[in-house]
Amino acid sequence: QQQVKQSPQSLIVQKGGIPIINCAYENTAFDYFPWYQQFPGKGPALLIAIRPDVSEKKEGRFTISFNKSAKQFSLHIMDSQPGDSATYFCAAYSFGNEKLTFGTGTRLTIIP
Amino acid sequence: EAGVTQFPSHSVIEKGQTVTLRCDPISGHDNLYWYRRVMGKEIKFLLHFVKESKQDESGMPNNRFLAERTGGTYSTLKVQPAELEDSGVYFCASSTPGRGNEQFFGPGTRLTVL
Repeated sequence: QQQVKQSPQSLIVQKGGIPIINCAYENTAFDYFPWYQQFPGKGPALLIAIRPDVSEKKEGRFTISFNKSAKQFSLHIMDSQPGDSATYFCAAYSFGNEKLTFGTGTRLTIIP
Repeated sequence: EAGVTQFPSHSVIEKGQTVTLRCDPISGHDNLYWYRRVMGKEIKFLLHFVKESKQDESGMPNNRFLAERTGGTYSTLKVQPAELEDSGVYFCASSTPGRGNEQFFGPGTRLTVL
């Protein structure tokens, strides 16, 4: 049973567009929701994260929107650039058991 | 500061053979985690060390997998004997005490079992 569902599996967006990646979770014990960015040949790197007591967090061109009642959260990338092309993973974490539960990943391609 | 390193980067072995993967965490990181991503699926938790102790090994697939972290520094993950379904990318991550929510990942070891 997959605890964090992520969509879409792949996404192609024109430069300057706003790709949106969506995730949904089941377990209400999760209390921290990070997004990881992975480039080919590299490991996932923490990009941005949110706690469930806020509905939005922005860091530069990256924004997380969080809907606690719907148990959903999403990543928006403003003014996307070809250098943003990577695989993005949403994840959920519980401070109680200290392990990350990941979504299946979204391969994002930004075309010039 | 050096990041998390993993060795080897790739390993191709035959079914039934043994493989040992190594992870060197960031210096001072007591928490060390192993994860695995199989065939484009989600990255799945395998186990968590705090220093040399196994805190949580609930994600280990079966007893063919053995993880160790002697001395609380680097860790090894041994697969013996390897099966076809063990193929995937094995990631190691580390974090400082109390900051398990901010894990730093290594580049992974791609294991192919033929």
